[in-house]
Amino acid sequence: EVQLLESGGGLVQPGGSLRLSCTASGFTFSNYAMSWVRQAPGKGLEWVSGILESGGRTYYADSVKGRFTISRDNSKNTLYLQLHSLRAEDTAVYYCAKDPADYGVSYYFDFWGQGTLVTVSS
Amino acid sequence: DIQMTQSPSSVSASVGDRVTITCQASQGIVSWLAWYQQKPGKAPKLLIYEGSRLQSGVPSRFSGSGSGTDFTLTISSLQSEDFGTYFCQQSKDFPATFGPGTKVVI
Repeated sequence: EVQLLESGGGLVQPGGSLRLSCTASGFTFSNYAMSWVRQAPGKGLEWVSGILESGGRTYYADSVKGRFTISRDNSKNTLYLQLHSLRAEDTAVYYCAKDPADYGVSYYFDFWGQGTLVTVSS
Repeated sequence: DIQMTQSPSSVSASVGDRVTITCQASQGIVSWLAWYQQKPGKAPKLLIYEGSRLQSGVPSRFSGSGSGTDFTLTISSLQSEDFGTYFCQQSKDFPATFGPGTKVVI
């Protein structure tokens, strides 16, 4: 059974930093691209960042480019999102999501974690 | 970036009704479209990918159609467990972009 478990969310002041983690199980993590998708309270879904299976290529939404960094440790089956220079508008539930393509990228998501809440407020 | 729109923003329907949700892309995406269902406090769940392919385990009352810029999600006979918000997402390229959602109220 595929499982994705996010952690690391919490309350942070504007301008602060945070690192989110997503621990994967139930599939060969190193074979699949992964993404982070966020959802502000009461709002829709916004793709934030993606990373290919090897970690060799990364992608970012314009809204986070230069402030967030996605990475992965395939030896630990873990995906990360480092958040810097946080703003109130970054407040959201952050989901990690798995791409269905084995050694490729399909740009949609067949499994999602339960999410971790990041609140940016003074 | 490819922009996605959906209509209606909400729909109220009864058990057994046929429900149709439309999604439009700002440019042609062939059939690179996914549909998700999200219930309150839960993660989205993949229903349909590549425009019309049913994800494993999803009931056959859900179907997707369309190509190019115009797509449709149909629930052929609405069940009580189908309440929630439905999102379309273009899967042609990054940045992946989602529609604003359609809330289905039973």
